[in-house]
Amino acid sequence: SAVISQKPSRDICQRGTSLTIQCQVDSQVTMMFWYRQQPGQSLTLIATANQGSEATYESGFVIDKFPISRPNLTFSTLTVSNMSPEDSSIYLCSGKAGGLQYFGPGTRLTVL
Amino acid sequence: GESVGLHLPTLSVQEGDNSIINCAYSNSASDYFIWYKQESGKGPQFIIDIRSNMDKRQGQRVTVLLNKTVKHLSLQIAATQPGDSAVYFCAENLGNTPLVFGKGTRLSVIA
Repeated sequence: SAVISQKPSRDICQRGTSLTIQCQVDSQVTMMFWYRQQPGQSLTLIATANQGSEATYESGFVIDKFPISRPNLTFSTLTVSNMSPEDSSIYLCSGKAGGLQYFGPGTRLTVL
Repeated sequence: GESVGLHLPTLSVQEGDNSIINCAYSNSASDYFIWYKQESGKGPQFIIDIRSNMDKRQGQRVTVLLNKTVKHLSLQIAATQPGDSAVYFCAENLGNTPLVFGKGTRLSVIA
């Protein structure tokens, strides 16, 4: 199994600013992902974080808005850039190991 | 299932009764399916999985049924307890691609 932690757990930010969310896994995972979960809704995949190369983004998500890094097998960051109130959401880090996909506790972001 | 909008479908059950949560998946080629439980303020937690070569799998108090003909999954929880109150998501997977999540159902257990 893999235990995933995220920092910060929550934040309140002003529009136009950026926030970087960190994700740490306690063991090596083959793949890492970032999801967004808007209030009362399901999880939507933002991108697959690739080690040492550019992330693979899903339709509707772009690198300029959500830059992602993955410098090694256990760590990744997601930045939410130039935030607006529409970016208020829970952002979840996920890692795949042994065929199973594990999730962090999420970062609850509120943009004023 | 209902249209989600801002509201998840809700299933209310009496404590001790059995719960059945349904899910329609989208990709007929998906070969692996998972049910997750998400409690308030937490990330999704794995409950049970099933591969496409099976139609039923049982765990402790939970059973997953897979009907590939109509692309339907169900999660049965026996003797539902207050601690089962949460949002339940099905997810589908094909090969090494990331999970695709269904819309979710909120289970509310009435004591």
